[in-house]
Amino acid sequence: DTGVSQNPRHKITKRGQNVTFRCDPISEHNRLYWYRQTLGQGPEFLTYFQNEAQLEKSRLLSDRFSAERPKGSFSTLEIQRTEQGDSAMYLCASSARTSGHNEQFFGPGTRLTVL
Amino acid sequence: AQKVTQAQTEISVVEKEDVTLDCVYETRDTTYYLFWYKQPPSGELVFLIRRNSFDEQNEISGRYSWNFQKSTSSFNFTITASQVVDSAVYFCALSERRAGGSYIPTFGRGTSLIVHP
Repeated sequence: DTGVSQNPRHKITKRGQNVTFRCDPISEHNRLYWYRQTLGQGPEFLTYFQNEAQLEKSRLLSDRFSAERPKGSFSTLEIQRTEQGDSAMYLCASSARTSGHNEQFFGPGTRLTVL
Repeated sequence: AQKVTQAQTEISVVEKEDVTLDCVYETRDTTYYLFWYKQPPSGELVFLIRRNSFDEQNEISGRYSWNFQKSTSSFNFTITASQVVDSAVYFCALSERRAGGSYIPTFGRGTSLIVHP
């Protein structure tokens, strides 16, 4: 499969616990994006990497959230001290500079439930 | 004010009907990009089309067509002869140049299309 993959697909955690999600982009894509999607809403931008550099972060990305892309390939999104309001679908997308302006390919998402 | 407005929350049609999904956007930029994505029940967003602000030509791809009108800031999507497999949530998105130089899309709230057999 050559698409964007995300793991785990589902995560249930208790409030206050830390969680980490992984995203593997399409191999030749140098840009990687994280979004959050809640019920009845469109995806909301969280952060964006070009290669290993994190170029932009949304105001939605509180200090409990951290994202990394250490070697410019896969990325991780960690949420510390989870809160019930963090319950959402976390989407990862990737794009290539040569694929046209911001045509993003999305993964299946990780659904987080915080109890 | 929302940058991307999809006023139709849910549309229900019977198979073979034509259906138009509306999208109105707001921007002060002269260079921007508009997108439509489909999100089927499986959850994975699927790219449908990208249009830049300098290209107002309408586009047709099979049963799908898009009408971009800068004068009304609209980018509407029509499905002709709808099929049950078209049932999904459809998102319109606007991509503008941000302060850091990148283009990041802002999505509308989506329109849920239900096609009944």
